[in-house]
Amino acid sequence: GAVVSQHPSWVICKSGTSVKIECRSLDFQATTMFWYRQFPKQSLMLMATSNEGSKATYEQGVEKDKFLINHASLTLSTLTVTSAHPEDSSFYICSARTLAGEQETQYFGPGTRLLVL
Amino acid sequence: GQNIDQPTEMTATEGAIVQINCTYQTSGFNGLFWYQQHAGEAPTFLSYNVLDGLEEKGRFSSFLSRSKGYSYLLLKELQMKDSASYLCAPMDSNYQLIWGAGTKLIIKP
Repeated sequence: GAVVSQHPSWVICKSGTSVKIECRSLDFQATTMFWYRQFPKQSLMLMATSNEGSKATYEQGVEKDKFLINHASLTLSTLTVTSAHPEDSSFYICSARTLAGEQETQYFGPGTRLLVL
Repeated sequence: GQNIDQPTEMTATEGAIVQINCTYQTSGFNGLFWYQQHAGEAPTFLSYNVLDGLEEKGRFSSFLSRSKGYSYLLLKELQMKDSASYLCAPMDSNYQLIWGAGTKLIIKP
């Protein structure tokens, strides 16, 4: 299947700092990328949908000024958690949509664990 | 509203067969995905069904009935490494995946 990478895989930071997470589609072009957050033993929560060259669409309750998304190219989207606080500690996962044959399929990156102290 | 119903947890024996059922209600429908998620890891793609019927892929098969809003994932010849959560995710009319909490599958020797 298609490969999606995320960097970094682990981040530990102090409260108040900003953290940038990169998501790359390695062997395909992704016009649409998604950012999810998952707390322990809970389901995936969609934070925002990112389309290349346009502003991201945020889900209700997700602060766009806190979670900055930039989809600069067809293979790269970034999520910046600004002024992170302990409650932002979570597992952040990106995914990219691609056409596999005639089917749209969504592949996930390995995720980034964020711990804010 | 949009809703997904899967059993919270299932237990099966190594070498056996298990069927994980999923019923869903979505605003529009553009197919249904099954993902596997091991603890602490991101989901990995297993299957995609958009037409009614059974899709077989090795030890895993997925079935869809659009009229019933029903799908199942069938796992054969279970191995210990199959212990994971299995996520049923229908795609709505906006091409967004709808996520439930998934089914935690425990494989015992």
